Amino acid sequence: KAGVTQTPRYLIKTRGQQVTLSCSPISGHRSVSWYQQTPGQGLQFLFEYFSETQRNKGNFPGRFSGRQFSNSRSEMNVSTLELGDSALYLCASSRVGVYNSPLHFGNGTRLTVT
Amino acid sequence: DQQVKQNSPSLSVQEGRISILNCDYTNSMFDYFLWYKKYPAEGPTFLISISSIKDKNEDGRFTVFLNKSAKHLSLHIVPSQPGDSAVYFCAASEYGGATNKLIFGTGTLLAVQP
Repeated sequence: KAGVTQTPRYLIKTRGQQVTLSCSPISGHRSVSWYQQTPGQGLQFLFEYFSETQRNKGNFPGRFSGRQFSNSRSEMNVSTLELGDSALYLCASSRVGVYNSPLHFGNGTRLTVT
Repeated sequence: DQQVKQNSPSLSVQEGRISILNCDYTNSMFDYFLWYKKYPAEGPTFLISISSIKDKNEDGRFTVFLNKSAKHLSLHIVPSQPGDSAVYFCAASEYGGATNKLIFGTGTLLAVQP
């Protein structure tokens, strides 16, 4: 069974640009969530999508957005990039919620903003 | 405001001994807790979880203890093996694990010495 796939693995962008990251969940998983990992802050929850609807949202500015498609694949977008957006962005999927099935993480997209 | 805290950034243990990783939380609404392990360049992998209705959960070499009155949980690894060397994250959920919104601690780097 294929795991969670994130593309691309690495990205270098310039301040002010925008970026789109992609995530393909494990087959059969309807929930996709996104996390940002930085050295000082650990993993911080961005948002979660379930059946194409945003189910939860973290405390990030509106520059961070996401969506989920009917095949459960998800994208997240960051507009007007800032230096502080440099981080590892992790996508995770599960069937419904962590109680029923644990979150399975992808290997992340490393975003560097210069 | 760090709702989930892992106050030890690192821990070194001899192979075969017990590793104890600690985690404190401040939000009394958290009712489901998880531990994840992360190797470099990989996404976190699920280890073990515990509901707030329990005070202990065991899975092989891994045991999680929950002390609700102290808002404290710990992960015990017995016996520790060199392959356990990784960053361990504690995470909490408010919704009984019904969603995938997790609040993570900042992680503890465990080094198991052969």
